[in-house]
Amino acid sequence: AQSVTQLDSQVPVFEEAPVELRCNYSSSVSVYLFWYVQYPNQGLQLLLKYLSGSTLVESINGFEAEFNKSQTSFHLRKPSVHISDTAEYFCAVSDGGYSTLTFGKGTMLLVSP
Amino acid sequence: DTAVSQTPKYLVTQMGNDKSIKCEQNLGHDTMYWYKQDSKKFLKIMFSYNNKELIINETVPNRFSPKSPDKAHLNLHINSLELGDSAVYFCASSQVGRGSNTGELFFGEGSRLTVL
Repeated sequence: AQSVTQLDSQVPVFEEAPVELRCNYSSSVSVYLFWYVQYPNQGLQLLLKYLSGSTLVESINGFEAEFNKSQTSFHLRKPSVHISDTAEYFCAVSDGGYSTLTFGKGTMLLVSP
Repeated sequence: DTAVSQTPKYLVTQMGNDKSIKCEQNLGHDTMYWYKQDSKKFLKIMFSYNNKELIINETVPNRFSPKSPDKAHLNLHINSLELGDSAVYFCASSQVGRGSNTGELFFGEGSRLTVL
């Protein structure tokens, strides 16, 4: 069985500060890892994903995440956040096949001026 | 143009009523899902259909009945609504067959159900 732990339920930061949202997973098989973002009153959008290859993956809006197999982590980082980054961020894991994505409980990123 | 569309977006109803939520995807995917997001934002899988066949049925009360008339549609019917059914219900789709499955899901905008 898979599981995802997002240790922080809420992360408040000031605009232009760096941020890291933590994600740890457990799985007995090879995994695919995802970060989804949910803006207020909207659905979930894929932010970035690790499938294979380079362990560092980037999104188009400046976020990046690094797959660390030995630490079973997939932390999300951004060097300088904007007010518009305020949203709920979900880490998720899949082993492919017919199994579904298993989501963490989410981390609310609150960016203030 | 919307890849995964759900209707209605908002639903307010009384306890005991029956309601349906519809979902359609135009991505050509073979698998569709229903997720429930509770008030604490926790996302939990409810059902999954692959090519109209039910493949995942989590511990969900049998008041909830999914129906997939074809692989592009997955509807959710809820009988005898209870207060605890209030949540946001998300439809999603993915491509599982033909060796292309990575688990990536494409979500609809959600349907917010409020039971009074």
